[in-house]
Amino acid sequence: DAGVIQSPRHEVTEMGQEVTLRCKPISGHNSLFWYRQTMMRGLELLIYFNNNVPIDDSGMPEDRFSAKMPNASFSTLKIQPSEPRDSAVYFCASSFRQGGPTQYFGPGTRLTVL
Amino acid sequence: KQEVTQIPAALSVPEGENLVLNCSFTDSAIYNLQWFRQDPGKGLTSLLLIQSSQREQTSGRLNASLDKSSGRSTLYIAASQPGDSATYLCAVGNSGYSTLTFGKGTMLLVSP
Repeated sequence: DAGVIQSPRHEVTEMGQEVTLRCKPISGHNSLFWYRQTMMRGLELLIYFNNNVPIDDSGMPEDRFSAKMPNASFSTLKIQPSEPRDSAVYFCASSFRQGGPTQYFGPGTRLTVL
Repeated sequence: KQEVTQIPAALSVPEGENLVLNCSFTDSAIYNLQWFRQDPGKGLTSLLLIQSSQREQTSGRLNASLDKSSGRSTLYIAASQPGDSATYLCAVGNSGYSTLTFGKGTMLLVSP
């Protein structure tokens, strides 16, 4: 099992540009979570999906952020336009809901917005 | 809104010491509590999961306890090793959908 796969691992972009982060959950998992980690705020839940349906997006900071899960094996988190305060590490995690609450995290994408 | 606090923020100990990491949460109506480990530049790895009806869980040299009524959990690491150096995060499960609220973590350094 390859675990949760995220790409890219590092992204450096300029303010105003569109950024797309990608996630492939563990095969068979039916819940997917996007988190953001910063020194100031720690790890925050942005949005989570259950069976490809967004359940709670109350953590999405503003309309510049959007997330999609077109199928069970792929999700994207898009920021448009990006701002320097979006610089953080973004994690994707997946779980098999009926199998218990343990979430399996990807390695993260370190985003730097200049 | 659930808030999770971890004390201390950083801890440095010599190899072989037993140590305790603390976690507190404001809303005792939790489903579960998990302890995670995060290595630099890496994702999180789940160490221990305690259901709300349980008092403790053990895995090897790790023991986690839960006192729901007082809103506290501790992670006990016995005979610490340099390989234990990492950031340890406490996360509270708030609902049946398993959403988690994380503390900011305790950065542990174990010196040889």
